[in-house]
Amino acid sequence: QLQLQESGPGLVKPSETLSLTCTVSGGSISSSSYYWGWIRQPPGKGLEWIGSIYYSGSTYYNPSLKSRVTISVDTSKNQFSLKLSSVTAADTAVYYCARLPGDPASEIDYWGQGTLVTVSS
Amino acid sequence: QSVLTQPPSASGTPGQRVTISCSGSSSNIGSNYVYWYQQLPGTAPKLLIYRNNQRPSGVPDRFSGSKSGTSASLAISGLRSEDEADYYCAAWDDSLSVVVFGGGTKLTVL
Repeated sequence: QLQLQESGPGLVKPSETLSLTCTVSGGSISSSSYYWGWIRQPPGKGLEWIGSIYYSGSTYYNPSLKSRVTISVDTSKNQFSLKLSSVTAADTAVYYCARLPGDPASEIDYWGQGTLVTVSS
Repeated sequence: QSVLTQPPSASGTPGQRVTISCSGSSSNIGSNYVYWYQQLPGTAPKLLIYRNNQRPSGVPDRFSGSKSGTSASLAISGLRSEDEADYYCAAWDDSLSVVVFGGGTKLTVL
């Protein structure tokens, strides 16, 4: 059974960089059949797409976050990562990692449990 | 503001049929598949409908999706108390090159 697990600091200071890692177990991140993505949800609000990556490194980013976001993949560790720079309180959210079967426009069939990141001094 | 528009709330009594709408544009719903996700309180979203009207294995046939033009709908028949959750529609947007979500609809089972 595929599992995705987010990890990283739960508290980040304003203007610093948020860094999260998603570890994939029960399947290979190098499979040609999937994209891997990040989605966030501010407390009490809706879902926001951050971006996605293919095992080869090809990425798609939300234009509203593109200048601050980097998503990378480490196939040797079966992980992919998110970096969001110059964070503010508006970046406080539950961050989910996810799998997309097929292409960046496809559905999310597996989600991580999510991790809350709070931006505060 | 979300790119896709959903009603913020919906409600029904047990056994009833409810529908949740999702309105978009030609660059998203009008030209791409629509997906629906169910999010129970305190949990990650779960895929409910993919490719407009397909149900993943394990999703009851009480849930159905449809699409017409630049709008889509999720229907839930035989409403049950465990259906009380937030529901989100989503689609790829060709102009933005990103997945866009609706703002979510909170379904209350009275």
